Amino acid sequence: QVTLRESGPALVKPTQTLTLTCTFSGFSLSTSGMCVSWIRQPPGKALEWLALIDWDDDKYYSTSLKTRLTISKDTSKNQVVLTMTNMDPVDTATYYCARIGGGSSNYFDYWGQGTLVTVSS
Amino acid sequence: DIQMTQSPSSLSASVGDRVTITCQASQDISNYLNWYQQKPGKAPKLLIYDASNLETGVPSRFSGSGSGTDFTFTISSLQPEDIATYYCQQYDNLPPFAFGPGTKVDIK
Repeated sequence: QVTLRESGPALVKPTQTLTLTCTFSGFSLSTSGMCVSWIRQPPGKALEWLALIDWDDDKYYSTSLKTRLTISKDTSKNQVVLTMTNMDPVDTATYYCARIGGGSSNYFDYWGQGTLVTVSS
Repeated sequence: DIQMTQSPSSLSASVGDRVTITCQASQDISNYLNWYQQKPGKAPKLLIYDASNLETGVPSRFSGSGSGTDFTFTISSLQPEDIATYYCQQYDNLPPFAFGPGTKVDIK
């Protein structure tokens, strides 16, 4: 059974760095083809793809946010960590992690429940 | 980067109606297009992958078609439980990925 769960602070101050952790079970990120992504959704707005890390430790970032994002994995702990620097109130959103389960198709087949991060002083 | 548009942004239909949503990519993405359903307060759920493949367990009233830049998502007979926002997502082989702006579906 595949599950993902996001964790991190609910509130951060402007200019601070956000660190979010995705803890997953039911698959291994060392298995060929497996990937984990971060996706966010501001309140009442659309989904926005942020970053992806794959089984081979290749990392990909949103073009508009790549200077602020870092994604990493700890395969032994079944965790993927996203850091976002210089947080701003416009970064207030629900942050999801999601899995791409291998194969030739890149679709998000399992998602975490999301964690709401509010940026406010 | 590839940009995605969706239309309409919202629609209202009666139970039993056929509902169609379109998604357009800013460049050719072959069939690298997925569709998700999101209900309020919930994470998105995969419905269709690779433009036309129904995810396991998803009702057959949902379908998708298209290739290149133009794609269509259809609910053949709208049900009350289909009230949600629907998003397309392109992947074009490698990231960056992109989601469309979403289509909110309501019952008339």
